[in-house]
Amino acid sequence: QSALTQLASVSGSPGQSITISCTGTSRDVGGYNYVAWYQQHPGKVPKLMIYDVTNRPSGASNRFSGSKSGNTASLTISGLQAEDEADYYCSSYTSSGTWVFGGGTRLTVL
Amino acid sequence: QVQLQESGPGLVKPSETLSLTCTVSGGSVSGYYWTWIRQPPGKEPEWLGYMLDSENIMYNPSLKGRATISVDSSKNQFSLKLKSVTAADTAVYYCARYGGNVRGFDPWGQGTLVAVSS
Repeated sequence: QSALTQLASVSGSPGQSITISCTGTSRDVGGYNYVAWYQQHPGKVPKLMIYDVTNRPSGASNRFSGSKSGNTASLTISGLQAEDEADYYCSSYTSSGTWVFGGGTRLTVL
Repeated sequence: QVQLQESGPGLVKPSETLSLTCTVSGGSVSGYYWTWIRQPPGKEPEWLGYMLDSENIMYNPSLKGRATISVDSSKNQFSLKLKSVTAADTAVYYCARYGGNVRGFDPWGQGTLVAVSS
């Protein structure tokens, strides 16, 4: 199974909004509303930020939101803060009953 | 609050079997998919597989049958065995929980680095 496609890097200034995209196929992202997003700071454990495309678990900031259109899911971070600088990974359930991750996007806060 | 902790050897020789255990504290192992995920240095995470019970187990097909996940309810632990390892299996291995009201991998253990080298 191929990894989901994410841009390698994105950047933004404090206070701005940025969007990270994750492109798959109809066999994963497009076929199910089971897309999740994880934040990983260097040397740290990934943290769940969004599940089921749009839902935030308790403990995740409400500045984070998710959406999906066709085979592409998106994570939007509003009111960018220095602490948001991290790697972000999407993941999706697949038609094979397995899960696949994206290649990751490094967010730099300028 | 559920917490997970991986344990096992940090170094495994090529062609041998990697064995890891995840101890679950603060909650029961019943009713969730217990998951193994690994992350090679500098790369994205890779889902290895998960188990709900003996009839509900899924593995990443890229592992080509080398992986076995099991759950020991009496010890509140679950484990991963990966046989015939090569250097490509060098990674930080995480255990995680999936299921319940939150359909994402949460929480995760702290991770354990396993190197495959002679």
